[in-house]
Amino acid sequence: DQQVKQNSPSLSVQEGRISILNCDYTNSMFDYFLWYKKYPAEGPTFLISISSIKDKNEDGRFTVFLNKSAKHLSLHIVPSQPGDSAVYFCAASARKTSYDKVIFGPGTSLSVIP
Amino acid sequence: GAVVSQHPSRVICKSGTSVKIECRSLDFQATTMFWYRQFPKKSLMLMATSNEGSKATYEQGVEKDKFLINHASLTLSTLTVTSAHPEDSSFYICSAQSPRQVGTEAFFGQGTRLTVV
Repeated sequence: DQQVKQNSPSLSVQEGRISILNCDYTNSMFDYFLWYKKYPAEGPTFLISISSIKDKNEDGRFTVFLNKSAKHLSLHIVPSQPGDSAVYFCAASARKTSYDKVIFGPGTSLSVIP
Repeated sequence: GAVVSQHPSRVICKSGTSVKIECRSLDFQATTMFWYRQFPKKSLMLMATSNEGSKATYEQGVEKDKFLINHASLTLSTLTVTSAHPEDSSFYICSAQSPRQVGTEAFFGQGTRLTVV
């Protein structure tokens, strides 16, 4: 049973446009959400996170939106750059019950076309 | 920022042999480290939680005797794949939490590509 879902395995976006990566979760105990970026043969790199008490968190070109009622979050990258091409993992944790354990979604491969 | 180092980055071994992968937190003490496995075009699957000074906690379906985890110090956790078989070939990644007063995001090692021939 996949607790964190990313239904789009891949996404192509033109350079300069907005990239929107979506993530859905099923476990209502999740209260902290993270996005990681991963290049081939490397470990994931932390991008941005959001606590369940917020509905938006912004860091430079990256913004994460959280809709708790829909159990949905999204990562917006604007403007998209060719260097953003990578696999993006959505992740979630239930800090009240299992502080450190992070569950990852299957990932979305983003291609930013110059 | 916090750095997690994983070694080796790539290893090829013969079927039936054992392989040890090291995960080190370089600039912070990690009481808890995590081991993940990634299959081609698949997500990161949590294998086990490594606890310093105590036994590791394995996820359902992960063989404890197959994947031995040792967390001997606050900066080092090791994963040993015992009696490796071709189906164990995968990309293994460790992570560690930085001290909670700093943040809750995990930092990942660079991963180890294991190929069993």
